[in-house]
Amino acid sequence: EDQVTQSPEALRLQEGESSSLNCSYTVSGLRGLFWYRQDPGKGPEFLFTLYSAGEEKEKERLKATLTKKESFLHITAPKPEDSATYLCAVQAHVSWGKLQFGAGTQVVVTP
Amino acid sequence: DAGVTQSPTHLIKTRGQHVTLRCSPISGHKSVSWYQQVLGQGPQFIFQYYEKEERGRGNFPDRFSARQFPNYSSELNVNALLLGDSALYLCASSLEGMNTEAFFGQGTRLTVV
Repeated sequence: EDQVTQSPEALRLQEGESSSLNCSYTVSGLRGLFWYRQDPGKGPEFLFTLYSAGEEKEKERLKATLTKKESFLHITAPKPEDSATYLCAVQAHVSWGKLQFGAGTQVVVTP
Repeated sequence: DAGVTQSPTHLIKTRGQHVTLRCSPISGHKSVSWYQQVLGQGPQFIFQYYEKEERGRGNFPDRFSARQFPNYSSELNVNALLLGDSALYLCASSLEGMNTEAFFGQGTRLTVV
């Protein structure tokens, strides 16, 4: 069965203190790996899709990378508005459009 | 452009009752998926519909059912509600259901008392 494990569960950063979130996955034939941001009480907001090992994507202070077994979300010089839960999800070739999510990493950035 | 819209935003029901949640996808999107998110966990897949046909079903009991209408909107129905059904129910729409990004609505917060 497909599995997604995110670490750490929670991360507290000072404003400007860069860090990385990890998403380890096992899946029978990866179609794509997705990163979402979720604010409390709201739906997940799409950030990135990665399809193959070695691929990288950037958006403002966020950069996502993908290997054959894990993905990293790098947050460079974070600001308080980057505080949120970051969710990782995988989509397998055999499971059509189903997304298998990890439990998320809760990030708090303090001024 | 309107994003994915879900209604209602909040709902309180009593154990044993039935509930219907509604979702309108982004204009032009033909696929709708439903997820359940319990506090502190990631969303869990319930159903996916594409072109009004069920394309996937998660590990949920038969009390959960869904359908997609000709205008691509969707309903999620839950019968015989249990306390454990309390959760945030999320609807996601995508252009074709696979190989395309899924965009989520704001969710419906269901509380079963």
